Amino acid sequence: NAGVTQTPKFRILKIGQSMTLQCTQDMNHNYMYWYRQDPGMGLKLIYYSVGAGITDKGEVPNGYNVSRSTTEDFPLRLELAAPSQTSVYFCASSYSMWGGGADTEAFFGQGTRLTVV
Amino acid sequence: KQEVTQIPAALSVPEGENLVLNCSFTDSAIYNLQWFRQDPGKGLTSLLLIQSSQREQTSGRLNASLDKSSGRSTLYIAASQPGDSATYLCAVHSGGGADGLTFGKGTHLIIQP
Repeated sequence: NAGVTQTPKFRILKIGQSMTLQCTQDMNHNYMYWYRQDPGMGLKLIYYSVGAGITDKGEVPNGYNVSRSTTEDFPLRLELAAPSQTSVYFCASSYSMWGGGADTEAFFGQGTRLTVV
Repeated sequence: KQEVTQIPAALSVPEGENLVLNCSFTDSAIYNLQWFRQDPGKGLTSLLLIQSSQREQTSGRLNASLDKSSGRSTLYIAASQPGDSATYLCAVHSGGGADGLTFGKGTHLIIQP
């Protein structure tokens, strides 16, 4: 069982370039999330999705876009890369988001380390 | 706004010792609390999830407790091993939508052989 898979693992971008971070999950989870982790800081929510075709902003959405055309995939798009977007990006998924039960347990991918120069 | 604090930020102990990692949160209206492990350059691995109605959860040598009214959780690691060396993250689930999970900054744990 692969769980949550992210590609690429590492990437260096020049300022102004664009790229898409890929995320796919094989657990048939409804909910998917993108977080960023900066050194010495807690993870921050960028965007989330409650199902195919439905996405919404998290705490730090500026400079990013997402789409959710299928249950399995939730790509994150950086349109004009800036040095402030240098970070480690994590995709996560859960079966549910409500109620606090075991089905809200979040599973994370291995992360994408992005450097913008 | 929910805030999560983890103390200590770093901890180094000899192999075999029992240890406690602490997590505190400011808003007691939570759905659950989840403990994760993060190895260098790797993703997060879920260790334990404690629902708001529960007091503790156990998995092997790990025991997590939750005192919702005081806004505290502890992760107890028994008989520590060098393989336990990692960063341990606490995350609070306060609601759906943009609330998502609120993470602490983590405790960096080193177990000395």
